[in-house]
Formats: sequence, structure tokens, C-alpha cells
Amino acid sequence: DAKTTQPPSMDCAEGRAANLPCNHSTISGNEYVYWYRQIHSQGPQYIIHGLKNNETNEMASLIITEDRKSSTLILPHATLRDTAVYYCIAVNTGTASKLTFGTGTRLQVTL
Amino acid sequence: KAGVTQTPRYLIKTRGQQVTLSCSPISGHRSVSWYQQTPGQGLQFLFEYFSETQRNKGNFPGRFSGRQFSNSRSEMNVSTLELGDSALYLCASSGDRVHEQYFGPGTRLTVT
Repeated sequence: DAKTTQPPSMDCAEGRAANLPCNHSTISGNEYVYWYRQIHSQGPQYIIHGLKNNETNEMASLIITEDRKSSTLILPHATLRDTAVYYCIAVNTGTASKLTFGTGTRLQVTL
Repeated sequence: KAGVTQTPRYLIKTRGQQVTLSCSPISGHRSVSWYQQTPGQGLQFLFEYFSETQRNKGNFPGRFSGRQFSNSRSEMNVSTLELGDSALYLCASSGDRVHEQYFGPGTRLTVT
């Protein structure tokens, strides 16, 4: 699976959009981009995934650049409950199911 | 749909003892994966079960074992506990998209 790089921390004001970047410059054609988050003391939570088209669900939007070397997770109206560590991973869905998280981005949503 | 449940939520054991943790997946999910999470090592994959068979395994010693029942519920067992086994043990279930995993709240194991 390709390596991903994320900023260690970000702040966002409540009600504003949180844009979390992820670099995956060595991603291969059959690797998907997956996003998870982990709120303190809870299990990780699946957010969204995509291959090359932009994706949206009830939690977030995922924007993947045309060359697929980077992506951005967008939380359109961040709330205090979105404070968490966000993990971006590149996954070859034909391989084993194990997830390997890096250090992620710690998002702090403030009043 | 009910989420993934894990029991117990907290456990304190003594070195040398053994422990069994339980996981009930989301209804309809046949894959159950187990992870260990510690502050120093992050999230580490233990093993995955699918239809009662271990499908994948991480790099943990043989003291860590698991099984899955016909109703997809899974258990993991750690024998001869060591202090370093203190961790949050997470179970995750998935359906057809195995990387879209739904995690339980975890069992926090403390070994003294």
C-alpha cells in the first residue's frame, strides 16, 4: 500500500469547513483512498473512500486530484464532536484486509 | 443496525494469567478483524476471521489466538499475559468491502 503523508495537527472554528489534506504521491492505479477518524478513547470510525472521482456521503466529502497524488477530506460544517485524529490510507482492495494507520492529523475544532 | 459490540469493556489481569475477549459484529458481516492499539505502537493488526476461518494474520506471538463462530461472533484469547500486553483491543467487522471496517468500542486490558 502506498505511503500517505498528513499534517500532524490542524485547527478549525466550529461551523466552518475543515479541509484535511493527504499526500499519496506513489499511489498506484488500483489503490483506493480511505479515511477514518478516531475520537479520543473510542474505536476508529470509517468516514469515506474513493478511487478517482469525488465522493460525498452524510459525513464528509472526498476530493481526489486528477493525478490522484493527493486528496482532501472536507467536513462542511465542523462541530466540537468532530475533534479527533483523522487517518488517510491508501489501500489495494485486492490485498489483505488489515488496516495500517500512520500518525494522522489531529483536528481540534474550537468555539 | 446495531453496531459492533465488545465485551468486557475493561479488564484487569495479572501477569501469567490468560484472558478471552468477545466481539459481536454487525449483523450480516462475515469478516471480523482484531487490532491492538497502544500509545507507542499505534494500531497493529492481529488477525482476521472470515466464515470461521483465519484469513489473515499479523506479526504477533502464538500467545495471541482467536476463533470465529458460525454466527460470526469472534473471540480472541491471550495466554500467559505480559505487562506489554496492556492495550486497547479493538474488533472490527466488515461486509463485502473488507477495508470498510466498523470498529467496536474496544476492550481496555491492563496487565499488572
